Amino acid sequence: DTGVSQNPRHKITKRGQNVTFRCDPISEHNRLYWYRQTLGQGPEFLTYFQNEAQLEKSRLLSDRFSAERPKGSFSTLEIQRTEQGDSAMYLCASSFLGRQETQYFGPGTRLLVL
Amino acid sequence: AQKVTQAQTEISVVEKEDVTLDCVYETRDTTYYLFWYKQPPSGELVFLIRRNSFDEQNEISGRYSWNFQKSTSSFNFTITASQVVDSAVYFCALSEFKTGTYKYIFGTGTRLKVLA
Repeated sequence: DTGVSQNPRHKITKRGQNVTFRCDPISEHNRLYWYRQTLGQGPEFLTYFQNEAQLEKSRLLSDRFSAERPKGSFSTLEIQRTEQGDSAMYLCASSFLGRQETQYFGPGTRLLVL
Repeated sequence: AQKVTQAQTEISVVEKEDVTLDCVYETRDTTYYLFWYKQPPSGELVFLIRRNSFDEQNEISGRYSWNFQKSTSSFNFTITASQVVDSAVYFCALSEFKTGTYKYIFGTGTRLKVLA
């Protein structure tokens, strides 16, 4: 069973540009989470999906952020009009509802906004 | 409000020393889960252990052991005979049952440096 994968691993962009990240969860997992981690901090919850439904969004998720999980498989996180404050590691995790709720994390996408 | 505190920002030990990483949590729920993750320089969070609030048994896995004490709201992690490969940032996390989200609340992490 392959783990959670994320692409790209690194992204450098200029302020004002749009970026999109992809997460492929563990195949049988029905829950998918996005977190953001800034330097020296622990990851902070952004949003999560159960199958294709987005069930909760953090207040951290401004209207420039949008996430989708079409067909309940992979997920994308898009940031529009990036700002320097968006620079962070974006982590994706997946879990299987009903199976101990342990989340398995991907390697993350490190975003740098210049 | 839920909160996880890892007061130790950074710990340095010499190889083969034992080291304990502290984790204190706050929650009003009676049902919750606690986790430890390891984050090596590559960035990926590696799952180490999960504990639910009804299971206060301590656990040992090789050189790793965990001490869960509800009375002090602590879930401490001890590495025995540390090795250089243990160098990483370690995160403690809390997940609550009540909301059904099971989102994690992480501490700020403890950076462990094991010197050869």
